[in-house]
Amino acid sequence: AQSVTQLGSHVSVSEGALVLLRCNYSSSVPPYLFWYVQYPNQGLQLLLKYTTGATLVKGINGFEAEFKKSETSFHLTKPSAHMSDAAEYFCAVRPGSARQLTFGSGTQLTVLP
Amino acid sequence: DTGVSQDPRHKITKRGQNVTFRCDPISEHNRLYWYRQTLGQGPEFLTYFQNEAQLEKSRLLSDRFSAERPKGSFSTLEIQRTEQGDSAMYLCASSSPGASGGSPSLSSYNEQFFGPGTRLTVL
Repeated sequence: AQSVTQLGSHVSVSEGALVLLRCNYSSSVPPYLFWYVQYPNQGLQLLLKYTTGATLVKGINGFEAEFKKSETSFHLTKPSAHMSDAAEYFCAVRPGSARQLTFGSGTQLTVLP
Repeated sequence: DTGVSQDPRHKITKRGQNVTFRCDPISEHNRLYWYRQTLGQGPEFLTYFQNEAQLEKSRLLSDRFSAERPKGSFSTLEIQRTEQGDSAMYLCASSSPGASGGSPSLSSYNEQFFGPGTRLTVL
């Protein structure tokens, strides 16, 4: 069975500061990994994904994440936070053999002026 | 707009009533998923269709829940005899077949596109 742990349900950063949202996963088979963003009263939008190949993945809006198999982690980073980044972020795992996504419980990002 | 659409966006009902939600996936997507998201939690998988076939159901999908996708296009999720614990956001997602089953671009492989959700409140 697979699971996702997001450390920190709430993260606050100042505008222009580094954003780091943590995600650890467990999976019995090589996983596909995803980060989604959700704005209030909206559905989820894919930020980036790791399937195979390069372990450093770049996504939209300046976000990137690095797949570290030895640490079973897929942390999301952005060098400089913008006010528009304030939202809830979900890490998700999809073992290669499965179809559905298993999500973490989410991290609410607040960007302070 | 060619994204995933869901109707209604909001539904308020009384305990014991039946409700039905609709999801229209992206037109060329043959896979359709239903998830439930409660407050402060990530989405949880409910069920998955490939074309009209319901291939997988979560144990979260009690016998009060039924989902259909009769023509392999839109899908409906019905909840009978609603309970207050059913209050949640119900999300629908769709995806293309992937490299092994069709000819979508590699950039879309495995990506599930989510609709805006239907927020259900059971009083």
